[in-house]
Amino acid sequence: DIQVTQSPSSVSASVGDRVTITCRASQSISNWLAWYQQKPGKAPKLLIYSASTLESGVPSRFSGSGSGTEFTLTINSLQPEDFATYYCQQAKSFPAPFGGGTKVEI
Amino acid sequence: QITLKESGPTLVKPAETLTLTCSFSGFSLSSGVAVGWIRQPPGKALEWLGVIYWNGDKRYSPSLKNRITITKDTSKDQVDLTMANMDPVDTATYYCAHRRAYSGFAVDHWGQGTLVTVSS
Repeated sequence: DIQVTQSPSSVSASVGDRVTITCRASQSISNWLAWYQQKPGKAPKLLIYSASTLESGVPSRFSGSGSGTEFTLTINSLQPEDFATYYCQQAKSFPAPFGGGTKVEI
Repeated sequence: QITLKESGPTLVKPAETLTLTCSFSGFSLSSGVAVGWIRQPPGKALEWLGVIYWNGDKRYSPSLKNRITITKDTSKDQVDLTMANMDPVDTATYYCAHRRAYSGFAVDHWGQGTLVTVSS
């Protein structure tokens, strides 16, 4: 199975900051990677699929990059509503594991 | 507009069998569509349990494949998850998930989730 490792597990940031989260796959997954945002008590929300394609309705301050085994989620100009936990997911092959999550907090 | 909603027991005893139903609207289990189940233990990460495709094909998590069964009822727009021999470590929020088309296993629509507690 192809595993993914996400870092850091948490990051402290302020409104207006740029935040970068990294996800590494145990082998090449081309661009089969997705990113999600989850707020407490809510279901995850798809932000980015195919490594860099923004899901409809997601603000443009979110961006994704990478291919192969290394991927990055960047949040430019962090907004108050962006404080949440973010997960990457290997979307190439089942069981399509998720990363351990990155909590973005003040 | 796609919606999914999970239903079923919120409390099960150890060794019992859990059955959850996902009722969906806004799409049909037609060509290319897949619906699955994802769970999240309290404070932990997400885990795919299994998925069923429009043609009846299924994929199960290797760690759970001996315990879970996913079935579909296309006429009712429902997908069921059955998990046998429940244990306290199976306590989690269980989500029904619609796989985004042409994006591998990315999930573009989620149910609200249902918290299942395993306790005697």
